[in-house]
Amino acid sequence: EDQVTQSPEALRLQEGESSSLNCSYTVSGLRGLFWYRQDPGKGPEFLFTLYSAGEEKEKERLKATLTKKESFLHITAPKPEDSATYLCAVRINAGKSTFGDGTTLTVKP
Amino acid sequence: NAGVTQTPKFRVLKTGQSMTLLCAQDMNHEYMYWYRQDPGMGLRLIHYSVGEGTTAKGEVPDGYNVSRLKKQNFLLGLESAAPSQTSVYFCASSTDSQGGTQPQHFGDGTRLSIL
Repeated sequence: EDQVTQSPEALRLQEGESSSLNCSYTVSGLRGLFWYRQDPGKGPEFLFTLYSAGEEKEKERLKATLTKKESFLHITAPKPEDSATYLCAVRINAGKSTFGDGTTLTVKP
Repeated sequence: NAGVTQTPKFRVLKTGQSMTLLCAQDMNHEYMYWYRQDPGMGLRLIHYSVGEGTTAKGEVPDGYNVSRLKKQNFLLGLESAAPSQTSVYFCASSTDSQGGTQPQHFGDGTRLSIL
């Protein structure tokens, strides 16, 4: 059975305090791993897609990496506006994605 | 850019009532999806469609039906609403390019309460 586990459930950081979010997965035939950001009352917003182990993607203060078992979302010098829930999802075929339960990040000024 | 539009945004139903949630996308995407999200949890796939006139079951399909009569629209129906269906419902779409490995675009959700 495909499984996606995100940790920690919640993370509180001071502004400028760098950290990482983890997404561990067990799937057969990974077609892509996706990171999304979700703000309260909104739908998920796409951040990154990673397709193969060793791949890395960067956008502003965020960097996503992928191994054969897990992905990390590194946040460097976060700002309060980075506060959100970050969701990880794995795609095994065109129709199905399995989502993790998310990590809620709070960045205090 | 409208993207994915969901209607209604909020709805309160009584147990046993029926309703239809509408999702419309203007990106000419082949694939469309319905998810539910419960507090503290990720998204669970209810039904999805890989093209006009096609639908398939996801992870939690019981109690729901769907239809995709037009490429741009995907309807989710509750025939007899139950309190366990109280949730936030998200619609998403994606292109079928590159073997269907492209990211999903989400609407802002429909908040549904069943009393």
